[in-house]
Amino acid sequence: DTAVSQTPKYLVTQMGNDKSIKCEQNLGHDTMYWYKQDSKKFLKIMFSYNNKELIINETVPNRFSPKSPDKAHLNLHINSLELGDSAVYFCASSRGDRGSDEQYFGPGTRLTVT
Amino acid sequence: GNSVTQMEGPVTLSEEAFLTINCTYTATGYPSLFWYVQYPGEGLQLLLKATKADDKGSNKGFEATYRKETTSFHLEKGSVQVSDSAVYFCARRGGSNYKLTFGKGTLLTVNP
Repeated sequence: DTAVSQTPKYLVTQMGNDKSIKCEQNLGHDTMYWYKQDSKKFLKIMFSYNNKELIINETVPNRFSPKSPDKAHLNLHINSLELGDSAVYFCASSRGDRGSDEQYFGPGTRLTVT
Repeated sequence: GNSVTQMEGPVTLSEEAFLTINCTYTATGYPSLFWYVQYPGEGLQLLLKATKADDKGSNKGFEATYRKETTSFHLEKGSVQVSDSAVYFCARRGGSNYKLTFGKGTLLTVNP
């Protein structure tokens, strides 16, 4: 009965590779997000989708491409991985995109680029 | 731009001590305010929230009051437990696209 799930939990890969992280929510929410947490625990939003449409796209290298095949899924594809991409990536979802809508977070994917 | 400033940690307390973690926010766009908690190795969980001035959010003995006059949302707990050891994030959401903006997090360690 996991609300927001991500796979894989850990991902170790070499520079230059292409990888994907998958996210699924079973809460019936309309809005999904990707966040990046750096080594100092700082959290920053990367993308947000509402009803499969992109509504937030922060200053993120275009090597990062989100894809939302349906409302319940928001995957993150990363091309040409770099050392600086090493971080924990969190997926989240909320009922809508209003200010008061709380966000539910997945368990995170720890990406290590060597 | 919109921002959240919270006290830097780490904070180390003994069990049953009183906890305050300060948080201030930028007031543009009548934001909603949140405290999230991240236990070691886990994702973030919503601890409490407040959506308008003078609202008090509370959960698991934690409280925070939305203060418009001081633009603050300080987290308090009267008696902490070892199990409260975690990183606490203050966050605001409001303005264009209702982006959730986090503070830098405060690591709390409670010793028995």
